[in-house]
Amino acid sequence: QKEVEQNSGPLSVPEGAIASLNCTYSDRVSQSFFWYRQYSGKSPELIMSIYSNGDKEDGRFTAQLNKASQYVSLLIRDSQPSDSATYLCALNTGGFKTIFGAGTRLFVKA
Amino acid sequence: GAVVSQHPSWVICKSGTSVKIECRSLDFQATTMFWYRQFPKQSLMLMATSNEGSKATYEQGVEKDKFLINHASLTLSTLTVTSAHPEDSSFYICGAGGSVDNEQFFGPGTRLTVL
Repeated sequence: QKEVEQNSGPLSVPEGAIASLNCTYSDRVSQSFFWYRQYSGKSPELIMSIYSNGDKEDGRFTAQLNKASQYVSLLIRDSQPSDSATYLCALNTGGFKTIFGAGTRLFVKA
Repeated sequence: GAVVSQHPSWVICKSGTSVKIECRSLDFQATTMFWYRQFPKQSLMLMATSNEGSKATYEQGVEKDKFLINHASLTLSTLTVTSAHPEDSSFYICGAGGSVDNEQFFGPGTRLTVL
């Protein structure tokens, strides 16, 4: 079983809609969770981090964490074509070592 | 966020030569740095974890004699691909542990093409 699971997509949403990206994980002791955005040909960019159950909002992005269900999600409101990228879910397993999911490709149609 | 640089951003070399890639944390000290490889349309693959002043820890299946890692200071780690072959062509990305909540920041990556 993979430690971090994501639907590979592609997830296609129209411009202005809410994009919902989901991730499940198997390591119950993980405490830190991250969402990275990766444009084609570029390295990942950290966009959100979340450490406690509930929601965390930052601009158009909302991360949601449910440790009991081992589930973390990312909502992107008012999606823009520039949001089209691969979104990587990641968790910290101790120190700075981070385990990444395979990523979900998002397409926002203009 | 913290800034991590990589040099070079791209390199083309002949088969059998060695290539060195530098990773620097510009505005913070990184006790731990990570080296990843990413093939087209695939996810990041962790190659090794590098701690300042000690030997790197390699992931299973990664040849330590082929991918030499040196982390001589808190702001610099280097990856040397020795005797590179075409199958080593990939996108190499370094990550540095930040000082806040175990966040990891990435360099812009180095695209290696071995002819």
